[in-house]
Amino acid sequence: GDSVTQMEGPVTLSEEAFLTINCTYTATGYPSLFWYVQYPGEGLQLLLKATKADDKGSNKGFEATYRKETTSFHLEKGSVQVSDSAVYFCALRTINFGNEKLTFGTGTRLTIIP
Amino acid sequence: GAGVSQSPSNKVTEKGKDVELRCDPISGHTALYWYRQSLGQGLEFLIYFQGNSAPDKSGLPSDRFSAERTGGSVSTLTIQRTQQEDSAVYLCASSLYYPTYEQFFGPGTRLTVL
Repeated sequence: GDSVTQMEGPVTLSEEAFLTINCTYTATGYPSLFWYVQYPGEGLQLLLKATKADDKGSNKGFEATYRKETTSFHLEKGSVQVSDSAVYFCALRTINFGNEKLTFGTGTRLTIIP
Repeated sequence: GAGVSQSPSNKVTEKGKDVELRCDPISGHTALYWYRQSLGQGLEFLIYFQGNSAPDKSGLPSDRFSAERTGGSVSTLTIQRTQQEDSAVYLCASSLYYPTYEQFFGPGTRLTVL
């Protein structure tokens, strides 16, 4: 079945450090890929997405590139801020027999220290 | 505009009781999704509605769980004879389905079964 394997946390970085959160997936067909973020006390929000191979999604300084050859969608940011502290979820969207769903990774808790 | 709303925000119940969780999607969104977020299982897909129809109910954890959607809008997730392992945050999301496919999440209902 479909699955997402995400870098386990928690991850603690200093402000302005470089961030990478690894995500790899297993899926049949050609899924769309997403990163969702959950800030403390808030609901899940879409951070960025990519719908086909080699697409790069970007938002708020975060980037991720859909790599079909390595089945990966790693999240990166060049200089993190305290406000980036949150839980990050990698997800893939599939449609099977008319049933659409998102399959999520386990989440990576990120803490940025001033 | 208004986002996805869920009620109640918190529900504490006794083992064996039935509970109903409600989701009001964003107006005009044809697709609606239920997920469960628990410490042991991460984010787990439960069911998807396109309009009032759910193509596949196999994501529901047991036959104690049921869901319906009426008028292509409000959805109710019902858990009968609740068990302690049902304790989790139940998330609802909606989307326009085409062309963006972006799912917008509600704040969730935290269910605690004593």
